[in-house]
Amino acid sequence: DAGVTQSPTHLIKTRGQQVTLRCSPKSGHDTVSWYQQALGQGPQFIFQYYEEEERQRGNFPDRFSGHQFPNYSSELNVNALLLGDSALYLCASSLRGGTETQYFGPGTRLLVL
Amino acid sequence: GNSVTQMEGPVTLSEEAFLTINCTYTATGYPSLFWYVQYPGEGLQLLLKATKADDKGSNKGFEATYRKETTSFHLEKGSVQVSDSAVYFCALSDGSGGGADGLTFGKGTHLIIQP
Repeated sequence: DAGVTQSPTHLIKTRGQQVTLRCSPKSGHDTVSWYQQALGQGPQFIFQYYEEEERQRGNFPDRFSGHQFPNYSSELNVNALLLGDSALYLCASSLRGGTETQYFGPGTRLLVL
Repeated sequence: GNSVTQMEGPVTLSEEAFLTINCTYTATGYPSLFWYVQYPGEGLQLLLKATKADDKGSNKGFEATYRKETTSFHLEKGSVQVSDSAVYFCALSDGSGGGADGLTFGKGTHLIIQP
């Protein structure tokens, strides 16, 4: 049973560029959440997707957007990258209306120069 | 808004010592509480959880009790091992979304166990 997978593992971009990160949820899960983890900090909730719609959103600007596909996989897009966007981006999957347990992927490390 | 406060690290202990990592929270309603662990080079893993007041979550010798009166969820283990060295995160979900909501995390506590 494959767990949550994310791609790519590492990424380097320059300020002003745009980036797309990808996530495949654990088998049987229908909900995907995205988090940003800055170095030495706890993860911060960006948003959550269920039934191809954004259901919840944390305190992040509109530069952060996402998408969920019919197969439940998801993308996180960040436009107009800033140096402060450098972080580990984590994807977590869960079952809507289930036991609230979220399963995390290994993350994508983004460096903005 | 919701928030989680946990003790700053690093926490350094000798093998077989007793461990406590403090966690307190602020939340609306009746949140569910979690401890996640991040081993070196690995992703976040759920360690244990509690969904209502006075519940005790336990796993791998770790345990934590949901104390509504003190808004706390302290993590304890009676005898730590070198393999327990990791970063531990306390987190909450306030249930406002009706399911597995976005989690609010603490800053993490780096635990170092020396042989």
